[in-house]
Amino acid sequence: KQEVTQIPAALSVPEGENLVLNCSFTDSAIYNLQWFRQDPGKGLTSLLLIQSSQREQTSGRLNASLDKSSGRSTLYIAASQPGDSATYLCAVRTTDSWGKLQFGAGTQVVVTP
Amino acid sequence: GAGVSQSPSNKVTEKGKDVELRCDPISGHTALYWYRQRLGQGLEFLIYFQGNSAPDKSGLPSDRFSAERTGESVSTLTIQRTQQEDSAVYLCASSLTAGGAFFGQGTRLTVV
Repeated sequence: KQEVTQIPAALSVPEGENLVLNCSFTDSAIYNLQWFRQDPGKGLTSLLLIQSSQREQTSGRLNASLDKSSGRSTLYIAASQPGDSATYLCAVRTTDSWGKLQFGAGTQVVVTP
Repeated sequence: GAGVSQSPSNKVTEKGKDVELRCDPISGHTALYWYRQRLGQGLEFLIYFQGNSAPDKSGLPSDRFSAERTGESVSTLTIQRTQQEDSAVYLCASSLTAGGAFFGQGTRLTVV
């Protein structure tokens, strides 16, 4: 059974610092891994999608890496801003379980001005 | 459509009533998911559709919960005899079979 863990559960950094969020998963047989952002009381916004054959994806200040063999992904957010404050979730789609999305519990990020 | 649409956005219902929540996925997306998120909690998987079939309904919490999908499009989540513990935001997502998932804004259900 796929299990997804996110560490740390919460993180507070001053504006301008780089953010490093970690996601680990137990079953490497995945189609892809996706990072989401959730603002309080809102739905989930997709940030980056990494297919199983890829090592990383980049979008603006965001960069996500994937090491399938070790079951790890890292989301880097460069030069953090107060607007980056949110909960960040990773989700993996495994090749068994009919490709169901399995989520981690999330990392709650606060960027202080 | 341009994105995943859920309706209603908010629903207040009396305990014991039945409710129906609707999800319109992105056109052409074969996979559809329902999740529940209680206040301050993480995402709780409910059911997964591939086309009109539900190969994984393991997350439905009780037989009061059911869901269907028709025309490989719209899905309806029905909660019968609602209880206060059903109060939550119900989120729907859709994707191509092995593609990225896109979420709707959710339906906030309050049972009073």
